[in-house]
Amino acid sequence: EPEVTQTPSHQVTQMGQEVILRCVPISNHLYFYWYRQILGQKVEFLVSFYNNEISEKSEIFDDQFSVERPDGSNFTLKIRSTKLEDSAMYFCASSDPFLARQGLNTEAFFGQGTRLTVV
Amino acid sequence: AQSVTQLDSHVSVSEGTPVLLRCNYSSSYSPSLFWYVQHPNKGLQLLLKYTSAATLVKGINGFEAEFKKSETSFHLTKPSAHMSDAAEYFCVVSDLTGTYKYIFGTGTRLKVLA
Repeated sequence: EPEVTQTPSHQVTQMGQEVILRCVPISNHLYFYWYRQILGQKVEFLVSFYNNEISEKSEIFDDQFSVERPDGSNFTLKIRSTKLEDSAMYFCASSDPFLARQGLNTEAFFGQGTRLTVV
Repeated sequence: AQSVTQLDSHVSVSEGTPVLLRCNYSSSYSPSLFWYVQHPNKGLQLLLKYTSAATLVKGINGFEAEFKKSETSFHLTKPSAHMSDAAEYFCVVSDLTGTYKYIFGTGTRLKVLA
């Protein structure tokens, strides 16, 4: 069964450092997403990406964040200068927009997450 | 705008008794609704999904949910709780107006007592 994979599973970084979280979405999917879950809180939408550009972003997704699809398979989230409050679980997801537009299935497939700890 | 409200932040049940986790949604469109489970320090696992087919949706591990348009509800149920059901449960609506992003509820922590 196809799946979304994320690396690393856990990353510890010092405050002020740049981090890149990596994701490999399901190969025939065209919508990609990043979500964040601060410990003990709900999952929050960060950004969606379609056709090689950001299609929507939340207010959380400020100038410190960027996303990129550097090749045909990877989808990355970069945090330029990490803060303590960026510590969270980050989930990548992908979906098939064509099924969604037909009203058939808007299901997104999630990776297992990357736990980012900023110290 | 679409949203979901999970009415209980914590639910405790005894093993072998029924589970009811409540979710109400708000949507201008016929919604796509989901329930996800998250065990401690784990990722998100899809339990079940409603995408405008049958209103009673069966999922994994004996869970099911009923879509009730008149009540704007999508409550999650299970006839008999098992210790392994102890986890955080999220009700989710998919935003059909744009990028199909997920809008998560605040979660319900299910505790199962022996």
